[in-house]
Amino acid sequence: DQQVKQNSPSLSVQEGRISILNCDYTNSMFDYFLWYKKYPAEGPTFLISISSIKDKNEDGRFTVFLNKSAKHLSLHIVPSQPGDSAVYFCAAGAGGTSYGKLTFGQGTILTVHP
Amino acid sequence: DGGITQSPKYLFRKEGQNVTLSCEQNLNHDAMYWYRQDPGQGLRLIYYSQIVNDFQKGDIAEGYSVSREKKESFPLTVTSAQKNPTAFYLCASTPRTKANEKLFFGSGTQLSVL
Repeated sequence: DQQVKQNSPSLSVQEGRISILNCDYTNSMFDYFLWYKKYPAEGPTFLISISSIKDKNEDGRFTVFLNKSAKHLSLHIVPSQPGDSAVYFCAAGAGGTSYGKLTFGQGTILTVHP
Repeated sequence: DGGITQSPKYLFRKEGQNVTLSCEQNLNHDAMYWYRQDPGQGLRLIYYSQIVNDFQKGDIAEGYSVSREKKESFPLTVTSAQKNPTAFYLCASTPRTKANEKLFFGSGTQLSVL
């Protein structure tokens, strides 16, 4: 049972345009959400997170939107740069004492073309 | 430089053999985790430890064992009972000072079966 789903295995975007990566979840207990970026043969690096009490969080070129009623979150990257090309994972946690026990989506491969 | 060190980068296992993956952190984090990544899939939690001398099974613990004798170290043994061990293994840690802490990841170990 996949509790966190990224239904788009890949996304291709032109440099300078917006990249939108999507993520859906089913578990109502999830109360915080994170996006990680991963290059091949490396560990994921944290990008941005959002708590369920918010619907938007911004950090530079990265913005995460949360729609709790739809159980959907998205990551917007504006403007996209070739260095953004990587695999992006969304992850969800249930807070409380779950520290670090995250449930990850399958990942979306983002390719930004110059 | 503070961080998480995983070794080796690449590891080969013969059938029937146990192998141990090393994970060391100098971030003074209390909690440590092992995740497994398979192609096209998200990261799945194998084991985690929130304090020295204590650890808990994650979602896919069968065929694996861990120990947490020191705060800095959380080695993972892939036993011969793990029938499909080929994967990218990621160690992570978090301070456990509050809920919703992000995970810090090592650079991973690629395990392959000969």
